[in-house]
Amino acid sequence: EDKVVQSPLSLVVHEGDTVTLNCSYEVTNFRSLLWYKQEKKAPTFLFMLTSSGIEKKSGRLSSILDKKELFSILNITATQTGDSAIYLCARDFGNEKLTFGTGTRLTIIP
Amino acid sequence: EPEVTQTPSHQVTQMGQEVILRCVPISNHLYFYWYRQILGQKVEFLVSFYNNEISEKSEIFDDQFSVERPDGSNFTLKIRSTKLEDSAMYFCASSGLSGLPVSNQPQHFGDGTRLSIL
Repeated sequence: EDKVVQSPLSLVVHEGDTVTLNCSYEVTNFRSLLWYKQEKKAPTFLFMLTSSGIEKKSGRLSSILDKKELFSILNITATQTGDSAIYLCARDFGNEKLTFGTGTRLTIIP
Repeated sequence: EPEVTQTPSHQVTQMGQEVILRCVPISNHLYFYWYRQILGQKVEFLVSFYNNEISEKSEIFDDQFSVERPDGSNFTLKIRSTKLEDSAMYFCASSGLSGLPVSNQPQHFGDGTRLSIL
């Protein structure tokens, strides 16, 4: 089945903590795995991962893909209240469609 | 930074009425998409559009739905006879800059249209 599973579903941490969000999938034939941040409206693009083992970084956020074990993680270090959002993981079959997970709701307490 | 724009932000319609949701994708993008998100649920793919035709559609995208690119900038989603279960947030997305490998270009989303069917 074409499934993307994210965990945890919800996470509450204090400002300054480091968090790791997980995304696993079941089908291997895809082009890339993407992470998006959804605050109030539009999912905002964070990372696109196509190769296994290569970490992508943007400021305090980083992500890596493991194609052998069929998962990806998103790390956020030194969290801030502005990081509070739903983080979505999606698989891309090559500009045809994205299959999204249910998301992880991250809440940062000041 | 270029962005996908959607109008209206909120649409309230009586069941059975037709609605048209409008999107202006990022200029020079070649691929266009519609997704929907029912409250509390996943973002779900509806349809992709390339070179003036549908390239893929999901089971949700039945005969009640249609898409059109009426001119060089707009991309619309029409629901012919709305049902209560069509109430959702509808997102438009675009990707694929001309001249670059499409496989390495992410989809960029608009802020969505919240459709409420009464």
